[in-house]
Amino acid sequence: GAVVSQHPSWVICKSGTSVKIECRSLDFQATTMFWYRQFPKQSLMLMATSNEGSKATYEQGVEKDKFLINHASLTLSTLTVTSAHPEDSSFYICSASEGETQYFGPGTRLLVL
Amino acid sequence: GQSLEQPSEVTAVEGAIVQINCTYQTSGFYGLSWYQQHDGGAPTFLSYNALDGLEETGRFSSFLSRSDSYGYLLLQELQMKDSASYFCVLEGSGNTPLVFGKGTRLSVIA
Repeated sequence: GAVVSQHPSWVICKSGTSVKIECRSLDFQATTMFWYRQFPKQSLMLMATSNEGSKATYEQGVEKDKFLINHASLTLSTLTVTSAHPEDSSFYICSASEGETQYFGPGTRLLVL
Repeated sequence: GQSLEQPSEVTAVEGAIVQINCTYQTSGFYGLSWYQQHDGGAPTFLSYNALDGLEETGRFSSFLSRSDSYGYLLLQELQMKDSASYFCVLEGSGNTPLVFGKGTRLSVIA
């Protein structure tokens, strides 16, 4: 099946810094990618839909100025958590669809100190 | 709005069959998907129902009834490795995931 990668898998940063997370579709092109956040023992929450060559679509309650999304190519979307705070500590996952199937990246664990 | 309800926990014996139900409320959707997620890992796709009825994929089957706003995931011949969380997901057009259920944690015991 298709493979989606994320980098980094782990990141620890100081409060106030910005963190960039990359999501790549390795063997297929994805015009649309999705970004999720998952807190411990909770379900995934869709944050935004990343569209290649255009602005991302954010879900209600997600601050677009805090979570910057760039989808510059058909295989790469980036999520930048700006001025991160401890409450942003979470598991961030991206996905991309090929056909009718969503493929998820392995996730990025962010810990903000 | 849109919402999904599924049991929070289910325990079943190795080798048995277990059914995880999912009821939903939505004004419209394209299909219902199921994903498996092991602790610390990313979700993996299991099954998708665009139409009413049963979809079978190996030991896993999924069912959808739009008239009853209901679906389920059926796992047969349970194995210890099936212990994980299972999410039902309402899918929109273009496979846009509309909303995830809160997940059902399945524990398979010997």
